[in-house]
Amino acid sequence: GENVEQHPSTLSVQEGDSAVIKCTYSDSASNYFPWYKQELGKRPQLIIDIRSNVGEKKDQRIAVTLNKTAKHFSLHITETQPEDSAVYFCAASGSTALIFGKGTTLSVSS
Amino acid sequence: GAGVSQSPSNKVTEKGKDVELRCDPISGHTALYWYRQRLGQGLEFLIYFQGNSAPDKSGLPSDRFSAERTGESVSTLTIQRTQQEDSAVYLCASSLSGTGEETQYFGPGTRLLVL
Repeated sequence: GENVEQHPSTLSVQEGDSAVIKCTYSDSASNYFPWYKQELGKRPQLIIDIRSNVGEKKDQRIAVTLNKTAKHFSLHITETQPEDSAVYFCAASGSTALIFGKGTTLSVSS
Repeated sequence: GAGVSQSPSNKVTEKGKDVELRCDPISGHTALYWYRQRLGQGLEFLIYFQGNSAPDKSGLPSDRFSAERTGESVSTLTIQRTQQEDSAVYLCASSLSGTGEETQYFGPGTRLLVL
């Protein structure tokens, strides 16, 4: 089955800097890759997703890139703000459910 | 419209007791998923429903865990003879058709503490 590895587990940046989180997956059949943001004590919420027929997708300060050959995808956050501080999870589509990475705790200090 | 809801929001129980957790998916969503999230950990898949059938139960950690769903609506996750290692947040999610390639919308979770 699908396995998703996510790095780093923690990331600390200064406000205004960029943050990059990387994930690799094992199942070449996966073709949907969402990213969720989970603030402390809250539910995970989708922030951006990408499908395998697209190499890059942007939404304001957030972008995701996908390399299907290498089986990895990345989340890029530019001009980080304190409210970006949260746990970020990548996921890849399995046969039925999403398979999640273990999460990255992003801390943005002002 | 209303999002995914779960109840109770918090549950404290004694080791050995049974607990039932409830999930109300978004109306019209045929797919429903249960995940477990231990403190500081990722999301561990438990079970998936398509309508009221469960084609994928592969994530249930033991036979103490079971789940059912009535129609394309409410689901309950039951944990029998709870153990301390069952302490976690149990998250439910729903999606429109369950292809595995569509957005899953999460509920707020039930925080279970087994003493």
